[in-house]
Amino acid sequence: KAGVTQTPRYLIKTRGQQVTLSCSPISGHRSVSWYQQTPGQGLQFLFEYFSETQRNKGNFPGRFSGRQFSNSRSEMNVSTLELGDSALYLCASSPMLDRNYGYTFGSGTRLTVV
Amino acid sequence: DAKTTQPPSMDCAEGRAANLPCNHSTISGNEYVYWYRQIHSQGPQYIIHGLKNNETNEMASLIITEDRKSSTLILPHATLRDTAVYYCIVRVAGSQGAQKLVFGQGTRLTINP
Repeated sequence: KAGVTQTPRYLIKTRGQQVTLSCSPISGHRSVSWYQQTPGQGLQFLFEYFSETQRNKGNFPGRFSGRQFSNSRSEMNVSTLELGDSALYLCASSPMLDRNYGYTFGSGTRLTVV
Repeated sequence: DAKTTQPPSMDCAEGRAANLPCNHSTISGNEYVYWYRQIHSQGPQYIIHGLKNNETNEMASLIITEDRKSSTLILPHATLRDTAVYYCIVRVAGSQGAQKLVFGQGTRLTINP
């Protein structure tokens, strides 16, 4: 069974550009969440999608957005990149929104903003 | 959001049991405790979760106190490959039935030969 797939694995962007990251969940999983990991702030929740609807959002500026497609694949977009957006972006999928189901994480996309 | 407190680092000898404590004194009655670990900036790996009762799987055991204010993850026979950062997490309910994982800083566990 394939795991959570994130593409690309590494990305270098220039300040002011925008970037789109992709996440393919485990087959049959309908919930996709995104997390940002930095050395200073640790792992922080960005947002969660279920059935193409954003269900929950963390405390990030509006430059961070996402969407989910009918096949449960998800993308997140960051516009007007800042140096502080350099981070490991992790996607996690879960079968349902039930608290009794664990999340499976992908390997992440490492974004470097220069 | 319910927060967790873990020691920043711990050491354990290979072959011995590793006991990782976690304090979650503000946890609500319907919030689950999850444990994940992360090796070398890979994605976090699920270990185990529980609500009230102790749980055991092929990787570890989870002991939750009766008042649910703390828990302990037990790796029964630690190996060098268990060296990682271990996160104790509370799964918090949001709006519209959504969830989120609230990560603390974790415990860096080092298994020594």
